Amino acid sequence: EDQVTQSPEALRLQEGESSSLNCSYTVSGLRGLFWYRQDPGKGPEFLFTLYSAGEEKEKERLKATLTKKESFLHITAPKPEDSATYLCAVQAVNNNDMRFGAGTRLTVKP
Amino acid sequence: GAGVSQSPSNKVTEKGKDVELRCDPISGHTALYWYRQSLGQGLEFLIYFQGNSAPDKSGLPSDRFSAERTGGSVSTLTIQRTQQEDSAVYLCASSLSPGVVGANVLTFGAGSRLTVL
Repeated sequence: EDQVTQSPEALRLQEGESSSLNCSYTVSGLRGLFWYRQDPGKGPEFLFTLYSAGEEKEKERLKATLTKKESFLHITAPKPEDSATYLCAVQAVNNNDMRFGAGTRLTVKP
Repeated sequence: GAGVSQSPSNKVTEKGKDVELRCDPISGHTALYWYRQSLGQGLEFLIYFQGNSAPDKSGLPSDRFSAERTGGSVSTLTIQRTQQEDSAVYLCASSLSPGVVGANVLTFGAGSRLTVL
């Protein structure tokens, strides 16, 4: 069964303090790995898709990387507005459903 | 529509009553997903539709849960004889048809918050 595990569950950073979020996965053939951001009271919003090991994607202060077993979401010099829950999801080649991890709740203090 | 629309946004019901949650996906999106998110938890997969058919119903927690989609558009998630453990936010998402570029990017609605007293 496809599994997605995210760590840490919660992360508190000072503004400007860079860090990384982890997403470990097991899937029977990876079609894609996805990162979403969720703000309180809202649905998740798409950030990145990664398809193969070694791939990297960047957007502002965020960079996502992928290996055969895990993905990292690197946050460089975060700002308070980066505070949110970051969700990782995987999609397998043999079906179209999308399985999510439990998320990492990020708080960036000014 | 411009986005995924879910209704009601909030629903309070008594234990044992039936509830219906509605999802109106983005026009042209053939894939539709239902997820459940309990307080402080991640997204629990419930069911996936491709068009009107549901190839994967494995996530439905019990036979009290059912979902349908008609006309390849609007979907309804029905929970019969609600229990307190059904309290959660029910999220709907849609995406383009598989094989289309960007098809695997989900656009989510704001969710329906269900409280069972």
